[in-house]
Amino acid sequence: GQNIDQPTEMTATEGAIVQINCTYQTSGFNGLFWYQQHAGEAPTFLSYNVLDGLEEKGRFSSFLSRSKGYSYLLLKELQMKDSASYLCAVTDSNYQLIWGAGTKLIIKP
Amino acid sequence: GAGVSQSPRYKVAKRGQDVALRCDPISGHVSLFWYQQALGQGPEFLTYFQNEAQLDKSGLPSDRFFAERPEGSVSTLKIQRTQQEDSAVYLCASSPTAGVHNEQFFGPGTRLTVL
Repeated sequence: GQNIDQPTEMTATEGAIVQINCTYQTSGFNGLFWYQQHAGEAPTFLSYNVLDGLEEKGRFSSFLSRSKGYSYLLLKELQMKDSASYLCAVTDSNYQLIWGAGTKLIIKP
Repeated sequence: GAGVSQSPRYKVAKRGQDVALRCDPISGHVSLFWYQQALGQGPEFLTYFQNEAQLDKSGLPSDRFFAERPEGSVSTLKIQRTQQEDSAVYLCASSPTAGVHNEQFFGPGTRLTVL
């Protein structure tokens, strides 16, 4: 079956680093997305990984291991505005994304 | 430029009523997706349009759900005879290229509450 697992909630301190993990088991795989969703708002794109390895984009980096069915999102120099849910999504076919339930990240001062 | 817009933002319906939810994608975007998102969950795929063609509707939960995009721009999601389990946020997203291998731009969603 199709399954994407993420921790439900994480807490971190302003200025610190946090790693949000995502594991997936899907019938097909073409790539993995990370989106950020603030409460009551629409998801916004963070990253897209197709090949194994780490992609860095400012304070955010995303890693993919296709052989392990594993990805993580790394957030550095955390700011209060980073408090949001982080959604992992896998491209299972040409038209569908399979989404995880999201990880709610709480930033404390 | 304008992003994806959806209307209404909030809709309250009595059980059994029909509702229509509208999505205005970013101009020129080829792909349009509809999702259903329950509280505390990730979006669930409903249907996909490439221009005016509905290429995947496998996520529509029942035959009470119907979507169209007749001119390849604006799309409408219609739910007939609404049930309480239809209560959710309905998200629309568009993308500049065909398929799912590109960033999707989401609208603010329509929060549907069925009483």
